[in-house]
Amino acid sequence: TQLLEQSPQFLSIQEGENLTVYCNSSSVFSSLQWYRQEPGEGPVLLVTVVTGGEVKKLKRLTFQFGDARKDSSLHITAAQPGDTGLYLCAGARSNDYKLSFGAGTTVTVRA
Amino acid sequence: DTAVSQTPKYLVTQMGNDKSIKCEQNLGHDTMYWYKQDSKKFLKIMFSYNNKELIINETVPNRFSPKSPDKAHLNLHINSLELGDSAVYFCASSQGLVGNEQFFGPGTRLTVL
Repeated sequence: TQLLEQSPQFLSIQEGENLTVYCNSSSVFSSLQWYRQEPGEGPVLLVTVVTGGEVKKLKRLTFQFGDARKDSSLHITAAQPGDTGLYLCAGARSNDYKLSFGAGTTVTVRA
Repeated sequence: DTAVSQTPKYLVTQMGNDKSIKCEQNLGHDTMYWYKQDSKKFLKIMFSYNNKELIINETVPNRFSPKSPDKAHLNLHINSLELGDSAVYFCASSQGLVGNEQFFGPGTRLTVL
């Protein structure tokens, strides 16, 4: 069983539309990271959130960490084809050395 | 000036063979990782070394043996390869034990025939 559940698994939208990806768990995390992975490459960090209720913006991307630090969301406004990729959330727990990754959401933005 | 590099990029081999994947990072990080990404894109931690000491050893068959000759290198040797070992293997590094950004290599696609 995975510690972090991501939804949806796949998302296909038209350029200009908005989208939201969810990352949920029953565990509390000391921090949560979002990565984007493009085909043939390794994941690249987009953002780290550490405080419950925190909201971070990266251009058209908005990241939110739940108040209880058990969940997070990624919202993309006016998606562009360059946003296409696999989005992964990953949580760190204070009593654990490893990052636990969600199964990922494959986002396709059609021109 | 690649941060985390892996060799080879592709590896195609027969069942039963032994193979190695090499990883090097030039970021000065003290922690390195091996991940396996399966066909469903799930990224699963296998091993982690901090200052050459093994700190994470997930439920991985004994056929997999990591070796860290120094803080900048973490190699993965696989004995008696099986069909189920086919996957993309990623090396990563970070500074510190947990919570910090992990920098990933480009991956090694292993295909066992």
